[in-house]
Amino acid sequence: EAGVTQSPTHLIKTRGQQATLRCSPISGHTSVYWYQQALGLGLQFLLWYDEGEERNRGNFPPRFSGRQFPNYSSELNVNALELEDSALYLCASSIRLAPAKNIQYFGAGTRLSVL
Amino acid sequence: AQKVTQAQTEISVVEKEDVTLDCVYETRDTTYYLFWYKQPPSGELVFLIRRNSFDEQNEISGRYSWNFQKSTSSFNFTITASQVVDSAVYFCALSEASFGNEKLTFGTGTRLTIIP
Repeated sequence: EAGVTQSPTHLIKTRGQQATLRCSPISGHTSVYWYQQALGLGLQFLLWYDEGEERNRGNFPPRFSGRQFPNYSSELNVNALELEDSALYLCASSIRLAPAKNIQYFGAGTRLSVL
Repeated sequence: AQKVTQAQTEISVVEKEDVTLDCVYETRDTTYYLFWYKQPPSGELVFLIRRNSFDEQNEISGRYSWNFQKSTSSFNFTITASQVVDSAVYFCALSEASFGNEKLTFGTGTRLTIIP
């Protein structure tokens, strides 16, 4: 069974540009989470989508946005990129049914570099 | 607010030694989940264990064992007879159990290096 897949692996942008990161969850998983892992800041929760709806949002500015498609894949968009947006962006998926309920399985991440 | 503290930033041990990674958490919720994840150099977070707040039984899985103590708000992870492949960053995490609040709150991680 395929795990969580993220694309691209690496992304290089310049300040002010927009970045789009993609995530495909494990088959059967309806929830997708996004986390940012920036140097010195640790792993921080960004966004959570479930059944196509945004369910929760971390303490990030509105230029971080996303969506979840009918096939449960998800996209994270970062507008007006700033240098401090450089980080590893991790996507995770989970299923709402026991016994695996609430266990988040992660992809390998997209490393975004803003120059 | 939830908080997870991993006081050990880096640990180095010689192969075959036992090592314990500490995790202390804070939450006002009565029902919550605790997790351990491993992050090898590839970057992917690998799920190791989830523990429900109502289940204080210790768990053993091969060379890995976990000690959950609600009285001290700790969820420690022990690797027995460590191997080089255990070298990674290990994260302890906490989440609420109620719908809408399942985001993970992570500790800052412990970088474990196993010396051959």
